Amino acid sequence: EDKVVQSPLSLVVHEGDTVTLNCSYEVTNFRSLLWYKQEKKAPTFLFMLTSSGIEKKSGRLSSILDKKELFSILNITATQTGDSAVYLCAVEASGTYKYIFGTGTRLKVLA
Amino acid sequence: SAVISQKPSRDICQRGTSLTIQCQVDSQVTMMFWYRQQPGQSLTLIATANQGSEATYESGFVIDKFPISRPNLTFSTLTVSNMSPEDSSIYLCSVLDRVDGYTFGSGTRLTVV
Repeated sequence: EDKVVQSPLSLVVHEGDTVTLNCSYEVTNFRSLLWYKQEKKAPTFLFMLTSSGIEKKSGRLSSILDKKELFSILNITATQTGDSAVYLCAVEASGTYKYIFGTGTRLKVLA
Repeated sequence: SAVISQKPSRDICQRGTSLTIQCQVDSQVTMMFWYRQQPGQSLTLIATANQGSEATYESGFVIDKFPISRPNLTFSTLTVSNMSPEDSSIYLCSVLDRVDGYTFGSGTRLTVV
């Protein structure tokens, strides 16, 4: 059965800290992995990863995929209180256009 | 990427009643996806809505409970029927872009009392 597991489930840090969020997966015929930030209701898109070893970067956020070990990490440097959110990872299985979401990591950044 | 207008934003409903959620996309899309997020849980796909054909439901979801309409390439509705407190969730519609992944509507927070 296809599955996506995120760790840790929750994390509390102080402003300025660096955090690393993990997403491991088991899917048939992997195509792509997505990272989202969810603050209220609608998740907002962060990254799409399809190739191993190529870092995607946007400001203080970066992400990389390891297709051999079946995981991805999302790094946030110099965290700010505005980074407090649930971070979701999703993986497309078998070219179905359907993504399986992990349970998310709830990040709280304290001032 | 597409822009999706979803309504209502939130509603409180009595058990046994039905609620219809609407999503309007600013461009034509072949597939629209409906997700549910129960409290403290991740997103679960309910069904895929294709224009001109019946929606495809995921395991655990049935048409009688979650009827979907897709009358054209820019619009879809999801109805939550005969609601119970277990249906209290955030409901999200989405479309898929091969570059940006899913774009989500603003979500509907449903509370069933």
